Amino acid sequence: GAVVSQHPSRVICKSGTSVKIECRSLDFQATTMFWYRQFPKKSLMLMATSNEGSKATYEQGVEKDKFLINHASLTLSTLTVTSAHPEDSSFYICSVQRGGNTEAFFGQGTRLTVV
Amino acid sequence: AQSVTQPDIHITVSEGASLELRCNYSYGATPYLFWYVQSPGQGLQLLLKYFSGDTLVQGIKGFEAEFKRSQSSFNLRKPSVHWSDAAEYFCAVGAGNNNDMRFGAGTRLTVKP
Repeated sequence: GAVVSQHPSRVICKSGTSVKIECRSLDFQATTMFWYRQFPKKSLMLMATSNEGSKATYEQGVEKDKFLINHASLTLSTLTVTSAHPEDSSFYICSVQRGGNTEAFFGQGTRLTVV
Repeated sequence: AQSVTQPDIHITVSEGASLELRCNYSYGATPYLFWYVQSPGQGLQLLLKYFSGDTLVQGIKGFEAEFKRSQSSFNLRKPSVHWSDAAEYFCAVGAGNNNDMRFGAGTRLTVKP
């Protein structure tokens, strides 16, 4: 069964609004989750590392005030795209690792379209 | 930091033919290497992984990969491709404890009838 649940799978929103994407670890407690963004026909780009109970660590060039990450529990991390613009339209994927360098489990992704 | 290069953006093979997808990595220590497959609009599914030990690793769906330290490579192979293998394939390298993975640009596989 699924290890990671990501919701919603698709969302369309108007420019200027905010969208929240949830990532849930179903099988184990995850102190760390990762958020990726994938552009069309491109690879996954790590946006940030979500740390339970503390601030997320953002990759260079990723606006932390625009992409708000909250990891309030060991099984849930949320990514909120604030004041969305059409250029924020993309495929967002979260992942969870059990620890160390074990396999990463990915959510099914969220297709965000900003109109 | 670690990095991954997948030299081939798009590969087309005939059904039943053999397949090799290339992956080169850059990392100062022993890498942790992965191959993932992504179907359109979907998340990623792990095909196989290498942490240590036997350098030839077997994965799901008949895939295998060989870790060659001297060449900094981790190429993915399959002896006979099926039409359902058409997808995007990503090589990834991980390093450190609970660290993120870095992905290659991906190789899109098209399978001809």
